[in-house]
Amino acid sequence: GAVVSQHPSRVICKSGTSVKIECRSLDFQATTMFWYRQFPKQSLMLMATSNEGSKATYEQGVEKDKFLINHASLTLSTLTVTSAHPEDSSFYICSAPSGTGEQFFGPGTRLTVL
Amino acid sequence: GESVGLHLPTLSVQEGDNSIINCAYSNSASDYFIWYKQESGKGPQFIIDIRSNMDKRQGQRVTVLLNKTVKHLSLQIAATQPGDSAVYFCAETVSGGYQKVTFGTGTKLQVIP
Repeated sequence: GAVVSQHPSRVICKSGTSVKIECRSLDFQATTMFWYRQFPKQSLMLMATSNEGSKATYEQGVEKDKFLINHASLTLSTLTVTSAHPEDSSFYICSAPSGTGEQFFGPGTRLTVL
Repeated sequence: GESVGLHLPTLSVQEGDNSIINCAYSNSASDYFIWYKQESGKGPQFIIDIRSNMDKRQGQRVTVLLNKTVKHLSLQIAATQPGDSAVYFCAETVSGGYQKVTFGTGTKLQVIP
């Protein structure tokens, strides 16, 4: 089946630094990708929809200037957490729909901000 | 709308018993529903899906039931095994195009050997 990868799987950074997370569709093209955030013992919350060739669409309450999304190609979307703070520590997960519309999820990226 | 819980409800079952996990969804326009399994530190894994024109769908050891009248989904796992221990999420979406998936609160399934 289709595979979505994320890099890095874990990242620890100091408060105030920026962190970039990559999401790749390995064997299919995705004009749309989705970014989710998951806090411990909670559900996945959609942050934004990444659109190849156009601006991302952010969910209510998500700061677009803090969470920069770039859909660089049909197989790559990046999420950059700018000026990260401890409250941004979370599990970030991306997903990409294949040509059939089925969503494939990445393995997630654990961000810890010290 | 989306439902977010401050903690995950837990369902404990004996190995070999059947498990039933319930979920309420909120968007009347949703017509495609999915159950995902998430193990600790991993992304969600597809289990089974169902479209709104059906009320039951069976897979291998799993069955999904859909009640559109009360906006309720359930996942039944037959002969639960230790490997089934995980968090289970229902999700809803509107089909057609690349629609976003909205996740439910989730239920932690603990299988007692």
